[in-house]
Amino acid sequence: NAGVTQTPKFQVLKTGQSMTLQCAQDMNHNSMYWYRQDPGMGLRLIYYSASEGTTDKGEVPNGYNVSRLNKREFSLRLESAAPSQTSVYFCASSPGTYNSPLHFGNGTRLTVT
Amino acid sequence: AQKVTQAQTEISVVEKEDVTLDCVYETRDTTYYLFWYKQPPSGELVFLIRRNSFDEQNEISGRYSWNFQKSTSSFNFTITASQVVDSAVYFCALSRHGGAGSYQLTFGKGTKLSVIP
Repeated sequence: NAGVTQTPKFQVLKTGQSMTLQCAQDMNHNSMYWYRQDPGMGLRLIYYSASEGTTDKGEVPNGYNVSRLNKREFSLRLESAAPSQTSVYFCASSPGTYNSPLHFGNGTRLTVT
Repeated sequence: AQKVTQAQTEISVVEKEDVTLDCVYETRDTTYYLFWYKQPPSGELVFLIRRNSFDEQNEISGRYSWNFQKSTSSFNFTITASQVVDSAVYFCALSRHGGAGSYQLTFGKGTKLSVIP
């Protein structure tokens, strides 16, 4: 079982460039999430999708857009990358019930120079 | 407002010592869930345990135990006889309702545990 798959694993961008982080899950989960992890800041929610066809902002959405392409896939787009977006990005999924833990992908390490 | 506080940023212990990681939370919800995750040096996030707000029984799993006290809004994690493989960052998280029936997890900032051989 692949679980939650994120691509790419590493990426270096120059300020102003754009890119899309891809995420796919094979657990038939309803909900999907994007978090970023920065040193000393823990995990902060960028955007989430409670179910196919819906997306909502999390704690730190500025500078990002998302697309829930179908039930399996949830992408995160940086339209004009900034150094402040240097971070490790985690995608997660869950069945969508209140007591369900999140299942995380292995992360994408993004550096913006 | 939802908040999770892990006051210990970093802890170092010598192998075989016991260690407790603290987690204090704030929520207005009457029903909620608390979680612990482990992030080893390889970077993945591993789910360890879930506890609901109505169940204050302590949980033990091998060398790991969890103490949930609603009166003090704490959900502490103890590792007994620590081992080098326990070296990791540990996150405490709290569920909260979002919009349209969704829910999210609010994470603490994590505690980095180093177990020295």
